[in-house]
Amino acid sequence: KAGVTQTPRYLIKTRGQQVTLSCSPISGHRSVSWYQQTPGQGLQFLFEYFSETQRNKGNFPGRFSGRQFSNSRSEMNVSTLELGDSALYLCASRNLNNSPLHFGNGTRLTVT
Amino acid sequence: GQQLNQSPQSMFIQEGEDVSMNCTSSSIFNTWLWYKQDPGEGPVLLIALYKAGELTSNGRLTAQFGITRKDSFLNISASIPSDVGIYFCAGHGNAGGTSYGKLTFGQGTILTVHP
Repeated sequence: KAGVTQTPRYLIKTRGQQVTLSCSPISGHRSVSWYQQTPGQGLQFLFEYFSETQRNKGNFPGRFSGRQFSNSRSEMNVSTLELGDSALYLCASRNLNNSPLHFGNGTRLTVT
Repeated sequence: GQQLNQSPQSMFIQEGEDVSMNCTSSSIFNTWLWYKQDPGEGPVLLIALYKAGELTSNGRLTAQFGITRKDSFLNISASIPSDVGIYFCAGHGNAGGTSYGKLTFGQGTILTVHP
């Protein structure tokens, strides 16, 4: 069974631009969560989607948004990029009923 | 909000030694998870714990869910070079199904194993 797939693996953007990251969950997993990982703040929860609906949201500004499609694939978007948005963005999926999260290898975003 | 304190921050050990790391929370957690992250990759699930007092093993790894539900530890026995990496504890404190995707993570323990 294929794991969580994230594209692209690396991305370089300049301040003010926007970016869209993509995630394909493990087959059969309907819940997708996004996390931001930085050296200073560690792993921080962004949001969780299930059945195309946002179920939970972390403490990030409105520039961070996401969505989920009917096939459970998910995208997250960051608008008006800031230098501090440079991070590893991780997507994770899970089955239902308290099953643990399984992570992809992330997208490394660098904002210059 | 919920916070996890993970210790130690880093460990330098000789191959063959046992390792122990732990996490404590300021509030009750209903699930504890332990992940390992290698450079350039995402966290990989090692062990999941769902009940207070639960002791679970996965090969040379053993983890326990503390009785108070505010702590957990991970032990690695007879360490080998491929154990090198960053170990994270994680958990969530809401028993409701809507929060299982929202984990609180510890700061990580960087493990170095000298051959």
